[in-house]
Amino acid sequence: GAVVSQHPSWVICKSGTSVKIECRSLDFQATTMFWYRQFPKQSLMLMATSNEGSKATYEQGVEKDKFLINHASLTLSTLTVTSAHPEDSSFYICSGLGQGLNTIYFGEGSWLTVV
Amino acid sequence: GQSLEQPSEVTAVEGAIVQINCTYQTSGFYGLSWYQQHDGGAPTFLSYNALDGLEETGRFSSFLSRSDSYGYLLLQELQMKDSASYFCAVSFIHYNQGGKLIFGQGTELSVKP
Repeated sequence: GAVVSQHPSWVICKSGTSVKIECRSLDFQATTMFWYRQFPKQSLMLMATSNEGSKATYEQGVEKDKFLINHASLTLSTLTVTSAHPEDSSFYICSGLGQGLNTIYFGEGSWLTVV
Repeated sequence: GQSLEQPSEVTAVEGAIVQINCTYQTSGFYGLSWYQQHDGGAPTFLSYNALDGLEETGRFSSFLSRSDSYGYLLLQELQMKDSASYFCAVSFIHYNQGGKLIFGQGTELSVKP
């Protein structure tokens, strides 16, 4: 199946700093990328949908100025958590959809801990 | 609003069969899919139904009844490695049109020896 690589797998940052998470589709062109966050033992909550070359569409309640999403190429999308706070600590997962594919492929996820 | 309901946890023994139900109330519906997630890992796609009926993929099968807004995941010949969380997810348009997924809360399956 298609592969989506997410980096870093684990990151610890200080409160007030920004952290960037990358999501790459390795063997297909991801026309659409989705970003989710998941707290322990909870569901995956969709944060935003991004189409290559367009601004991301954010779900209700997600601060677009805090969670910056860039999808500048068909193989790379990034999520930047700006001015991170401890409550932003979570598991962030991306997924990619390519043209002609009938399913969505998830990255391995990134654990963010803000201290 | 959108809601998906599934049991929070299920326990079964090795070799048994287990069914995980999912009911949904959404404004719009295209298909129901199922994902497996082990602790600390990413979700893995298991199965997808856009039409009523049963889809079989090896030990896993998934069923959908659109009129009842209901589906289930059936796991047969359970193995210890099947212990994981299982999520149902609704999509509102076809995947290849950029369909996003809305996930249920997940069912934690524990397989005992």
